[in-house]
Amino acid sequence: DTGVSQDPRHKITKRGQNVTFRCDPISEHNRLYWYRQTLGQGPEFLTYFQNEAQLEKSRLLSDRFSAERPKGSFSTLEIQRTEQGDSAMYLCASRGGLSTDTQYFGPGTRLTVL
Amino acid sequence: RKEVEQDPGPFNVPEGATVAFNCTYSNSASQSFFWYRQDCRKEPKLLMSVYSSGNEDGRFTAQLNRASQYISLLIRDSKLSDSATYLCVIRSNDYKLSFGAGTTVTVRA
Repeated sequence: DTGVSQDPRHKITKRGQNVTFRCDPISEHNRLYWYRQTLGQGPEFLTYFQNEAQLEKSRLLSDRFSAERPKGSFSTLEIQRTEQGDSAMYLCASRGGLSTDTQYFGPGTRLTVL
Repeated sequence: RKEVEQDPGPFNVPEGATVAFNCTYSNSASQSFFWYRQDCRKEPKLLMSVYSSGNEDGRFTAQLNRASQYISLLIRDSKLSDSATYLCVIRSNDYKLSFGAGTTVTVRA
């Protein structure tokens, strides 16, 4: 257990529904990252926050996706109007200050869109 | 071209064997390099960082060749518990991590 938690661990939804995932990083970490991983691939970067500011978004993050970190602590990732292609593992990671490169990953939320 | 490319394997080796595999990366400005380990349906976990001079952590040895832009991992005296997918990871300037698709290693008794 890295100290990063994600909720829910599994989500099954029907196409067209909205879903929201939550990530709680390690408490003293100011940087938070979202990744998506599909079967047979490595994780792909989606977005990252430094404190409450969203500093970078991947082109993978279409306008159906939105992420927030309102108080610089936990973060949410919402997918609107889900599509079958959204089925994946959504991973959250956090990192401390400039002194360390290491990102610690949460257990992920596995999304299945029917 | 993918930013990080790995031989997917699988590498199927007996216990006690040595197994080695590489990955290549395309961004010559990459600053940091790592190997992560991922077990089936679990999150990636840092195995080791990779330094320019090469580094060792127990049975694991990592090498970096900046000129040829490749990274290697060698596992000596393989254990059953080494069976996993090994992800080659690079960091760009803004601390974003780019992952390879992973190399699967299966150690058999």
